[in-house]
Amino acid sequence: QVQLVQSGAEVKKPGASVKVFCKASGYTFTNYYIHWVRQAPGQGLEWMGIINPKILSTGYAQKFQGRITMTRDTSTSTVSMELSSLRSEDTAVYYCARDEIGGQRGFDYWGQGTLVTVSS
Amino acid sequence: EIVLTQSPGTLSLSPGEGATLSCRASQSVSSSFLAWYQQKPGQAPRLLIYGASTRATGIPDRFSGSGSGTDFTLTISRLEPEDFAVYYCQQYGSSHTFGQGTKLEIK
Repeated sequence: QVQLVQSGAEVKKPGASVKVFCKASGYTFTNYYIHWVRQAPGQGLEWMGIINPKILSTGYAQKFQGRITMTRDTSTSTVSMELSSLRSEDTAVYYCARDEIGGQRGFDYWGQGTLVTVSS
Repeated sequence: EIVLTQSPGTLSLSPGEGATLSCRASQSVSSSFLAWYQQKPGQAPRLLIYGASTRATGIPDRFSGSGSGTDFTLTISRLEPEDFAVYYCQQYGSSHTFGQGTKLEIK
């Protein structure tokens, strides 16, 4: 069965970086984009960016340009998202989600979420 | 950036009633690339509808989506207790953006 399993919760100090992992299984890894979406406490969903695991192309929301990096390891079917220069407003649950390349059918599977807490 | 505005912010209804949720876009959403998600507390979002009106796999037929251009609607007929949650619309025709959500609560 399709699964996206994310790495565990993180606590970081302001100014630090965090790297969150998303391991895919149960489907052909390179046939689906992976997106990252975050949700601050009590708030809505915010799209952060996309990676095409087949060709390693990425696209980031303008808000995060310059401090976000997404990459992938095809040998382990894992995508990572690194966010740098963390501030308190980055405290959120971070989700990965898949989206079929060329399918245009929305985000049909999501990871369980990773809580990132930024606090001094 | 396409901004999505959902209304109402909160909808209070009873099980068995019907619900109508609205999503309005600041610009036309190309090819009706509009999706709806349901989110319950402590859970990841769940895809309900894509392409404005196509139900995702396993979604009950009491959920339906409609609309085009800038105005979209999610309709839930005959609310079940498990339908009370937060609902988000998302456009994916021009990058990706989410609406702010509509909370469907039990009256």
